Formats: sequence, structure tokens, C-alpha cells
Amino acid sequence: GAGVSQSPSNKVTEKGKDVELRCDPISGHTALYWYRQSLGQGLEFLIYFQGNSAPDKSGLPSDRFSAERTGGSVSTLTIQRTQQEDSAVYLCASSSARLAGGPETQYFGPGTRLLVL
Amino acid sequence: AQTVTQSQPEMSVQEAETVTLSCTYDTSESDYYLFWYKQPPSRQMILVIRQEAYKQQNATENRFSVNFQKAAKSFSLKISDSQLGDAAMYFCAYEGAGTYKYIFGTGTRLKVLA
Repeated sequence: GAGVSQSPSNKVTEKGKDVELRCDPISGHTALYWYRQSLGQGLEFLIYFQGNSAPDKSGLPSDRFSAERTGGSVSTLTIQRTQQEDSAVYLCASSSARLAGGPETQYFGPGTRLLVL
Repeated sequence: AQTVTQSQPEMSVQEAETVTLSCTYDTSESDYYLFWYKQPPSRQMILVIRQEAYKQQNATENRFSVNFQKAAKSFSLKISDSQLGDAAMYFCAYEGAGTYKYIFGTGTRLKVLA
């Protein structure tokens, strides 16, 4: 596709419910990232996928958060038993294969705004 | 651990004027990359400019330029001839070479006055 897409754009849920957020990266991009942006804060790294390698989950705030990437393309971020403090914008980004010695620009989607009541 | 600080929560600039957004960072690494991203109300983060730490020359992209002071660990963004469409949140980000995680500052909201 032309850019990174995310769905839904907005999600309102009740405390204790599970939610799934979807990310479609740019076609051909092997790296995929999830970030969380809380109100008034910068972006907080959550998880990173690169090709078929094991993901870096070091940024996930609790075991209620998980993510998977099927077929090296679409990714789903799942939050179980949502809490009010999970309310935030969840941003996905993708980048092409990383070459040694150089940065690869991350291209971001429009995010999913999650509100937990 | 690396940190990125943006000390200006909000800035205003008159249309056609120049504004500078500040960013400082803390790191013990010698090789890294720095980025400025723009986030308009649509929420989509857009890359404005990037700088490789090993390059002494400041990066420039049209009306956007940076003042990269490696010894001072400072990476400010200058926007010349400000336009109404420049109004957005601006985030400074750091990436250590050989890593892939961006570390973001808390952002600066830029208002452009007509």
C-alpha cells in the first residue's frame, strides 16, 4: 500500500475487555514497530519485529500486552483486561531492511486512539 | 540509558518568520542518529529531517535545518519562512547505531500565527 495503515482509527472499550489493534505496514518493509503515545507524552516503544527473527518485546508494559505478526506483514497488538491507564494512541511504524551502519527511517501510521472507560 | 529532552512545551511564530525548536539528549554512545518528526492533528508522524552523528555538516531540507552540536548534545530544528501548515507537534528522536528503538522527547507544540 501507499503507507502504513491502522485500524480501527478510534476504539472505546470498557475496563476489563480485550482489544485488538491492527497494523498494515508498507509493502516490502520487513521491520515493524509499535509505540504508545499517552496524553502529553512522547512516544514509548513497545515492540519490534524484524523479518522472521524473534521480536523484541522489551517495551511491553505488562503481560496483558502481546503482539504478533503474521506472514511477515500484518501485525496485531492485543491488550487483555484493559485498564484505564491503557488509554492512549497506539502508533505503528514500518521500515525497510536495516543495512549495517545506517538508519532506516520509520514510517508511521495514523494510530489508533484507545479509550478505556 | 539514553534520554531526549524538549524543554519547550509550546512555541509560537508569526507566519513567514523563523523559529527554533530545541532538543537535547544524553548518551554515552558515539554513533547514533537524530530525527525530527512532525505530528499534525491527523496524528500521522512525518519525518522532517534526520542527522547522522558522524556527519559534521548540519542537515537541511528546504525550509528546515538543524543545528547539531555533538559535544553539547544539542539538536535544534530551525524552521524558516514559517507557514500555517507547519503548525503541529514536533518530536525529537534518538536512535543508537546498531539499535532500532527510537527514544522520543515529549514534543513541542508549534503554533503559527497569521
